[in-house]
Amino acid sequence: ETGVTQTPRHLVMGMTNKKSLKCEQHLGHNAMYWYKQSAKKPLELMFVYNFKEQTENNSVPSRFSPECPNSSHLFLHLHTLQPEDSALYLCASSQEDGSSYEQYFGPGTRLTVT
Amino acid sequence: GQNIDQPTEMTATEGAIVQINCTYQTSGFNGLFWYQQHAGEAPTFLSYNVLDGLEEKGRFSSFLSRSKGYSYLLLKELQMKDSASYLCASRDSNYQLIWGAGTKLIIKP
Repeated sequence: ETGVTQTPRHLVMGMTNKKSLKCEQHLGHNAMYWYKQSAKKPLELMFVYNFKEQTENNSVPSRFSPECPNSSHLFLHLHTLQPEDSALYLCASSQEDGSSYEQYFGPGTRLTVT
Repeated sequence: GQNIDQPTEMTATEGAIVQINCTYQTSGFNGLFWYQQHAGEAPTFLSYNVLDGLEEKGRFSSFLSRSKGYSYLLLKELQMKDSASYLCASRDSNYQLIWGAGTKLIIKP
C-alpha cells in the first residue's frame, strides 16, 4: 500500500465510449502524474500537475483529458480511444519542495480498448 | 535525445548476487533512481543516487558514475521474491524522470 489509490483497476471500453480514471493520494503531496506503461516500453509521462496547475503535457492526444480538482485527486477522462491506447495507466504523486524526491505510484488501471 | 539503456532480461540463482546495469543520456542530470515493479503491481522506490559512489541499503546497493553516465543496482543474497522488473530512471534538468524500459529479473531455485 503506497498511499496512492486508483480506480477502476481494470477497464474494457469500446472506441466510442467515454470513461474516466480516478486517482487519489493520501500522502499530502503537491504534485501528481499520469503515466502510460506499455509492455516492454519505458514509462511514458503524460501529464504533470504541480499545486493543481498542469505543468507538463507531453504531446498527448486530445482524446486524453486530465483534471485535477485539488491536490489529492486526479482524473483522466477518456473518449474515442484507439486500440493502441490499451495499456497500464499509472498515477503517481510526489512532494516537490526539496524535502523528498521519490514518486509514489498507484497500482494502475489496466485499460483494454476494443 | 534522451535515452536510458538497460538489459531486457536477466536470470540469476537464489542466494547469488546479480548486477543490473543502466546507462543514461539526459538533458541535464538531477539524480538517478531505481524502482522495483512486481508483475501487476505499482513500481516502488528502491534507491536514489545524485553523487558518485555506492549507496548501500540492506541487500540492495546502487552505484553511480556521473562522468560515465552509468549506474548499477546490485542485489545480494537473492530471494525468490526478488523476481520482478527493475526500472532505471534519470531526472533531467526539468526535474522530470526519463525511464528505461526495465530489466525483468528471473530468480531460479
